[in-house]
Amino acid sequence: DIQLTQSPSTLSASVGDRVTITCRASQSISSWLAWYQQKPGKGPKLLIYKASSLESGVPSRFSGSGSGTEFTLTITSLQPDDIATYYCQQYDSYSLTFGQGTKVEIK
Amino acid sequence: EVKLVESGGGLVKPGGSLRLSCAASGFTFSLYTMNWVRQAPGKGLEWVSSISTTNAYVYSLDSLKGRFTISRDNTKESLDLQMNSLRAEDTAVYFCARSESAGGHYYMDVWGKGTTVTVSS
Repeated sequence: DIQLTQSPSTLSASVGDRVTITCRASQSISSWLAWYQQKPGKGPKLLIYKASSLESGVPSRFSGSGSGTEFTLTITSLQPDDIATYYCQQYDSYSLTFGQGTKVEIK
Repeated sequence: EVKLVESGGGLVKPGGSLRLSCAASGFTFSLYTMNWVRQAPGKGLEWVSSISTTNAYVYSLDSLKGRFTISRDNTKESLDLQMNSLRAEDTAVYFCARSESAGGHYYMDVWGKGTTVTVSS
């Protein structure tokens, strides 16, 4: 199975800060990577698909980049509503896998 | 409004069985691959199983094969997960999710709120 490693596990930043989360795959997955946001007690919400495509309705402060084995999710100006846990997920193979998650907190 | 609503969770003893259901609305259910994903308490997301539009293809987490069975009824617009021989480590919130496709690859674009399964004596 393809393993995904996210870093950092926890991130503390101030409102307005630029925030970057990294996701590394154990083998090349081309651009078959999605990013999700999950708030406590809720189902995940799709933010980005195909590594850099913004899902409809998602604020433009979210962006994704990368290909192959290294990917990033960037929030250009952190807002209080962005407090959540973020997961990457590969869909290169039929056996889908997620990163372990990055919890974003307000400093 | 596109919606997925899971049901069927509850408390079950180790070795017992449970059947989860997911009711879909607001979209043409028969056109989408569907999935189950779970999340143990305080842990991350774990994909469980996927089923293609016409039941032709089913994929499941290797460690669950033989215990969990995914199925769908396109006429009722519902997705099921039959869980047998349940273990304490199956305790989790189980989410139903719709897959959108791009070039033969499928990501999950719509999720339900989840149903909680607790396996305990």
